Amino acid sequence: DIQMTQSPSSLSASVGDRVTITCRASQSITTWLAWYQQKPGKAPNLLIYKASRLQSGVPSRFSGSGSGTEFTLTISSLQPDDFATYYCQQYDTYSGTFGQGTKLEIK
Amino acid sequence: EVQLVQSGAQVKKPGKSLKISCQGSGYTFTNYWIGWVRQMPGKGLEWMGIIYPGDSETRYSPSFHGQVTISADKSISTAYLQWSSLKASDTAIYYCARLGGGFKTMGSDDAFDVWGQGTMVTVSS
Repeated sequence: DIQMTQSPSSLSASVGDRVTITCRASQSITTWLAWYQQKPGKAPNLLIYKASRLQSGVPSRFSGSGSGTEFTLTISSLQPDDFATYYCQQYDTYSGTFGQGTKLEIK
Repeated sequence: EVQLVQSGAQVKKPGKSLKISCQGSGYTFTNYWIGWVRQMPGKGLEWMGIIYPGDSETRYSPSFHGQVTISADKSISTAYLQWSSLKASDTAIYYCARLGGGFKTMGSDDAFDVWGQGTMVTVSS
């Protein structure tokens, strides 16, 4: 099984801040990496797929980068609606693994 | 509109069986893999397995293989997740989600692009 390690597990930031979340895979997954946002009581929502492709309808302040085993999600200027939990997920070769999540809280 | 609609919340006793459903609409159901994801109370997301409704090919996470069964009925655009003998540790929200690629051969577009609303399963004596 491919393991996904996200960091940090929690993060406090202010509106307008630039925030970066990191995800590391236990082996190379090329660019088969997605990022999701989940708010309390709601289903997750796809933000980024193929490591850097923005899902339709997602604000451009979200961006993804990386390949192989190291990936990042960046929010360029935090908005009040962005405080949520974020998960990375690898979807290589007919399997999938999520990172443990990063809870983004208001400072 | 593409959507997945899941069956309602369930409360069951340990040892009982259960089958929950996920109905797709607004797209060609047989062309897209459907997956199931578990979220235990206050915890993160866990990938359980996927099914291709076109031919019912199924892949499971090693953690869930033998613990649950994933199936589909393409005639009614519905995927299922079932248990033969529930345990208290099965208490969780279960989400179905569509893989976005649209082909049986998985590719880099196959993130979960559409999600159901979730089904809460409570197992308690």
